[in-house]
Amino acid sequence: AQSVTQLDSQVPVFEEAPVELRCNYSSSVSVYLFWYVQYPNQGLQLLLKYLSGSTLVKGINGFEAEFNKSQTSFHLRKPSVHISDTAEYFCAVRTVDSSYKLIFGSGTRLLVRP
Amino acid sequence: SAVISQKPSRDICQRGTSLTIQCQVDSQVTMMFWYRQQPGQSLTLIATANQGSEATYESGFVIDKFPISRPNLTFSTLTVSNMSPEDSSIYLCSVTPSGRYEQYFGPGTRLTVT
Repeated sequence: AQSVTQLDSQVPVFEEAPVELRCNYSSSVSVYLFWYVQYPNQGLQLLLKYLSGSTLVKGINGFEAEFNKSQTSFHLRKPSVHISDTAEYFCAVRTVDSSYKLIFGSGTRLLVRP
Repeated sequence: SAVISQKPSRDICQRGTSLTIQCQVDSQVTMMFWYRQQPGQSLTLIATANQGSEATYESGFVIDKFPISRPNLTFSTLTVSNMSPEDSSIYLCSVTPSGRYEQYFGPGTRLTVT
């Protein structure tokens, strides 16, 4: 079975500072990896995805993530955050097979302070 | 991507009653999913609803409590039956367009049961 761990429930950071949100996964088979963002009172929006190829993937809003197979990690980074980045961020995984199910982490609340 | 709408956006219901949530997609999709997000929690998959077949429910969710209809490739409903305060959550539908690996989410339905 697959699982996703987001160790940080909340990450406070000052505006214009860099940020990293951590995600580790567990799976016995190959996986696809995703980061979603949820703004208050909204649904989930896809930030970026890793399917194959280059381990560094770039997404919307200046976010990027790096897939590290040996460490089974997919950490999300942004070099300079804005107040508007305050939201809940979810890491998710699905296996590379016929299953379409997504397994979500517990989420990390990014709180950007002025 | 896919544009998804849900109705209602929010509702307050009395215990013992039922609520039907609608999910409409702007394109035809085979794979559609229903999730529950309890307050301050991550997403939990309720069921997968494919057109032309019975919905597949995850462990802990049963058809009598969460009946699902999928009459065509652009529409689905989820009913929350015999509600209790523990059913107070955000309910989200999502889809995976053909040929894609990621899921796209609707804005969610915020349900409060009193």
